[in-house]
Amino acid sequence: SQKIEQNSEALNIQEGKTATLTCNYTNYSPAYLQWYRQDPGRGPVFLLLIRENEKEKRKERLKVTFDTTLKQSLFHITASQPADSATYLCALVPGGATNKLIFGTGTLLAVQP
Amino acid sequence: EAQVTQNPRYLITVTGKKLTVTCSQNMNHEYMSWYRQDPGLGLRQIYYSMNVEVTDKGDVPEGYKVSRKEKRNFPLILESPSPNQTSLYFCASSLSLRGQTQYFGPGTRLLVL
Repeated sequence: SQKIEQNSEALNIQEGKTATLTCNYTNYSPAYLQWYRQDPGRGPVFLLLIRENEKEKRKERLKVTFDTTLKQSLFHITASQPADSATYLCALVPGGATNKLIFGTGTLLAVQP
Repeated sequence: EAQVTQNPRYLITVTGKKLTVTCSQNMNHEYMSWYRQDPGLGLRQIYYSMNVEVTDKGDVPEGYKVSRKEKRNFPLILESPSPNQTSLYFCASSLSLRGQTQYFGPGTRLLVL
C-alpha cells in the first residue's frame, strides 16, 4: 500500500542542537517533496520544496535532503531555538496523472531552552 | 495582502443540518483544495480543483460536496453533517499543483452534535 511515514513520537532537543526529522514514503514516485510547519490550531506554512533531481536544498538554518533510492527525505534545523517548536509535515504529489497532494502525519518538535 | 480566508472559523451544528464553509483566495491561484485534520490521521485531502468548473475527489470525499464557479472561491458543502465529520478543516490554494507552494487558510473548527 502507499503511505508516507513521519515519526509520530515527539522529538525533544536542546536549544542550539540540530534537529533532524524523517519522512519515509512507500510505493510513490514523487517528482518533488515539500516540508511545512504547523503551529497549534493554525494552517500549515510552506518551508521548503525539493525536486527528485536535487539531493539537498538549504534555506537559512533549514536543510532538506531527498533520497529517491531510500525513498526518504530528511529535514534539518541547525542551531535550533525554542521558537522552532512546532509540528513539521512532509507532503508529496504521487507520480503519474494524479493531482492529489498527500501529507504525512507530522512530527512534533520541542526545543528546550 | 495575499491570503486564503475561510468562514466561519468555528461552527457548532447538529446532525443533518446542511452547512457551507466558504473559502476565498486573492492570489489568482488555479489550484484549490480542502483538507480535514484529525488527531493521529494528519491532513487528508477531501476535494481539489484544478481550475474553474474542474473538481475532483481527494482521499476522503464521502459526505462532502464542492463547487468552483469562480476562480477565487471554493466552498465546501456538507449536505447532511454527521458526528464523524467533526474535525478541523483547511482550505488551501496554489498557482498550480506541481512544484508550487500551498497557501493554507486559518482553519474552520467544526463540531457536529
